[in-house]
Amino acid sequence: DTGVSQDPRHKITKRGQNVTFRCDPISEHNRLYWYRQTLGQGPEFLTYFQNEAQLEKSRLLSDRFSAERPKGSFSTLEIQRTEQGDSAMYLCASSQVASASVYTQYFGPGTRLTVL
Amino acid sequence: AQKVTQAQTEISVVEKEDVTLDCVYETRDTTYYLFWYKQPPSGELVFLIRRNSFDEQNEISGRYSWNFQKSTSSFNFTITASQVVDSAVYFCALSGNTDKLIFGTGTRLQVFP
Repeated sequence: DTGVSQDPRHKITKRGQNVTFRCDPISEHNRLYWYRQTLGQGPEFLTYFQNEAQLEKSRLLSDRFSAERPKGSFSTLEIQRTEQGDSAMYLCASSQVASASVYTQYFGPGTRLTVL
Repeated sequence: AQKVTQAQTEISVVEKEDVTLDCVYETRDTTYYLFWYKQPPSGELVFLIRRNSFDEQNEISGRYSWNFQKSTSSFNFTITASQVVDSAVYFCALSGNTDKLIFGTGTRLQVFP
């Protein structure tokens, strides 16, 4: 069973540019999550999907951020008009939820974004 | 509101010493889950353990053990006979009625040979 993969691993961009990250979850995992981690802090929740439905969005997710999971498999996270404050590690995780139970979230290697 | 506190920012030990990482949580949910993750220098979060709020049994896995006490809202993690490979940042996390994880700020463990 392959783990969660993320692409790219590193992204350097200039302020004002748009960037898009991709996450491929563990196969057959129906939930997919995005988190953001800044230096010296724990990851902070951004949003999550069950299949293709986006179930929750954090207030951290401004209008410049959008996430999709069109076919219930991979997901993309887009940041428009990047700002220096967007520089962080963006982590993706997935889990298999069969009922109301909470299952373990497994994380990918992350995409490190640097905005110059 | 849910909150996880890891008061120890950084701990340094010499190899073979035992070390305990503290985690205190706050939640109003009656059913919740507690987790520990390890983040080595490579950056990927590695799952270590999940505990349910209704199961206070302590758990041991090799050199790792976890002490869950609802009375003090704590979920502490002990590494016995630490090794250099244990050097990493360790995060405690909480989830309740919603599936999102609330993380603490992490404890950086440095194990010196």
